[in-house]
Amino acid sequence: SQQGEEDPQALSIQEGENATMNCSYKTSINNLQWYRQNSGRGLVHLILIRSNEREKHSGRLRVTLDTSKKSSSLLITASRAADTASYFCATTAGGTSYGKLTFGQGTILTVHP
Amino acid sequence: ETGVTQTPRHLVMGMTNKKSLKCEQHLGHNAMYWYKQSAKKPLELMFVYNFKEQTENNSVPSRFSPECPNSSHLFLHLHTLQPEDSALYLCASSTQGSPLHFGNGTRLTVT
Repeated sequence: SQQGEEDPQALSIQEGENATMNCSYKTSINNLQWYRQNSGRGLVHLILIRSNEREKHSGRLRVTLDTSKKSSSLLITASRAADTASYFCATTAGGTSYGKLTFGQGTILTVHP
Repeated sequence: ETGVTQTPRHLVMGMTNKKSLKCEQHLGHNAMYWYKQSAKKPLELMFVYNFKEQTENNSVPSRFSPECPNSSHLFLHLHTLQPEDSALYLCASSTQGSPLHFGNGTRLTVT
């Protein structure tokens, strides 16, 4: 069953603006990860937040996790044209390993120069 | 450049062909994965190998046959595929407690 669902499906902004993407999931999780995928390429891991964490930062990225609402958000500040990509949330649950991920359908982000 | 190399990058095959996808990781990881990415669908986990042993088969049809001869190499053997199997096939690797490192995928088209 589909675990993560991203919102919005597509987001178009100007360079310098902030981009916020949301992810909702259905079952209890161990951790939630965000990945980026440039067109025609593989996924690149951005950030991981554990179920007992509420917020995490990495450079221009800020991730929040609300386990009571089963949701997470990814904020990219001061966006650049190079941030144009698809962004996916992915979760692990129960006793599964870090690699057995359940992905959402992704948000396509376009940053206009 | 990612530490996980997939070949070929593109593959076109007929429904009666037999082909293989190859994945090699240079990161010293002990786990390797096959994921399928179809248009308008989330990434789907297909197979997981830990220390060369298959630990997950996510109800994948038998026309997909994985092989993991060692912790650095992973193959996906394909035979009698259907057009709906056309997709981007992604290989990934990880070590215990680490996120996935993906290759750039093989774009498969079944005609």
